[in-house]
Amino acid sequence: AQRVTQPEKLLSVFKGAPVELKCNYSYSGSPELFWYVQYSRQRLQLLLRHISRESIKGFTADLNKGETSFHLKKPFAQEEDSAMYYCALPRKRGYQKVTFGIGTKLQVIP
Amino acid sequence: ETGVTQSPTHLIKTRGQQVTLRCSSQSGHNTVSWYQQALGQGPQFIFQYYREEENGRGNFPPRFSGLQFPNYSSELNVNALELDDSALYLCASSLTSGRVGEQYFGPGTRLTVT
Repeated sequence: AQRVTQPEKLLSVFKGAPVELKCNYSYSGSPELFWYVQYSRQRLQLLLRHISRESIKGFTADLNKGETSFHLKKPFAQEEDSAMYYCALPRKRGYQKVTFGIGTKLQVIP
Repeated sequence: ETGVTQSPTHLIKTRGQQVTLRCSSQSGHNTVSWYQQALGQGPQFIFQYYREEENGRGNFPPRFSGLQFPNYSSELNVNALELDDSALYLCASSLTSGRVGEQYFGPGTRLTVT
């Protein structure tokens, strides 16, 4: 069964400090992984997908198949990064069920 | 382009009652998924509708049912409400032929069961 684990419910960092939001997964086959973000009073939205190897708002995430991880990183945290972050794992075949992690609340301290 | 909308925003029901939640998908999207998000948890997949048929279901009992209409809007119905059904219900639309996992979420309906 596919599973996503986010070990930290809350991560507090100072502005300008590096950020790493952890995500580990369990999946048979070659996964595709996503990070979704929810800013205060806004809807859940896609932040980035691993397959695109993109950097969005300074965030990057690398898929490490050996460690079954997909950690989200940013070198210098900004106050506007404060939000809930969800790691997500979609099925690749059949219907588009997406399994979400429990979420990590990132709090950037000014 | 119109985003995903949900109604109502908030709802209070009594245990044992029935509830219907509504969702209008983003323009051009033919697939709608419903998620339940309990407090402090990530969204949990309930089911998905594609071309008016259920196209996958999570671990939810049959009292959770749905519909999709020809215009791709959707309803989530919950019968015999229980206290544990209190949660934020999210609707997400996507293009089945689009990128896997790329879904666009509505603002949610907050259901409270007393």
